Amino acid sequence: GDSVTQMEGPVTLSEEAFLTINCTYTATGYPSLFWYVQYPGEGLQLLLKATKADDKGSNKGFEATYRKETTSFHLEKGSVQVSDSAVYFCALSGAHDMRFGAGTRLTVKP
Amino acid sequence: GAGVSQTPSNKVTEKGKYVELRCDPISGHTALYWYRQSLGQGPEFLIYFQGTGAADDSGLPNDRFFAVRPEGSVSTLKIQRTERGDSAVYLCASSLKPQGWRNTGELFFGEGSRLTVL
Repeated sequence: GDSVTQMEGPVTLSEEAFLTINCTYTATGYPSLFWYVQYPGEGLQLLLKATKADDKGSNKGFEATYRKETTSFHLEKGSVQVSDSAVYFCALSGAHDMRFGAGTRLTVKP
Repeated sequence: GAGVSQTPSNKVTEKGKYVELRCDPISGHTALYWYRQSLGQGPEFLIYFQGTGAADDSGLPNDRFFAVRPEGSVSTLKIQRTERGDSAVYLCASSLKPQGWRNTGELFFGEGSRLTVL
């Protein structure tokens, strides 16, 4: 079935470092791809999405490009902040639900 | 508030007991989802409602789990004869329209109900 596999964590970076969290997917049909974020003590919230191949989703300085040829949707940010510390989930739209990866915990140190 | 509300936020119960978890979605959202998140894992799909009916319950692990949404708004997830393996955070999410290949609207999640079965 449809699924996503994302880079295992945890990831620890210094402030202003470059971030990449890898995500690859397996799907039939034409899924949309998402990154959700869960800040400490809060619910999951949508960070960004891309609905078709070569689309780039972006929000809050984060970016991810839907690459059909490599079945990937890697999350990147050029300069992380302490406030970016959270758990990040890659996801895809299944037939009528959302399928999530296992999550990657990011800690950014000042 | 305007978000998805889940109660209780924490529930500790003994093995074999019955548990109900409640979800109050965002007003006007017709699609409602239940997910289960075990420690260190991503959310795992359980069941999806479109209106009052369960459109897909293929994620429910066994017949001890049941969910209802009688008036198309609030939903209750019911777990009978709880087992230690049921311990997890149960997440509810809602959206204006069902998720899927033809619709990519945002899912709005509650903060979850943490269930601990002793």
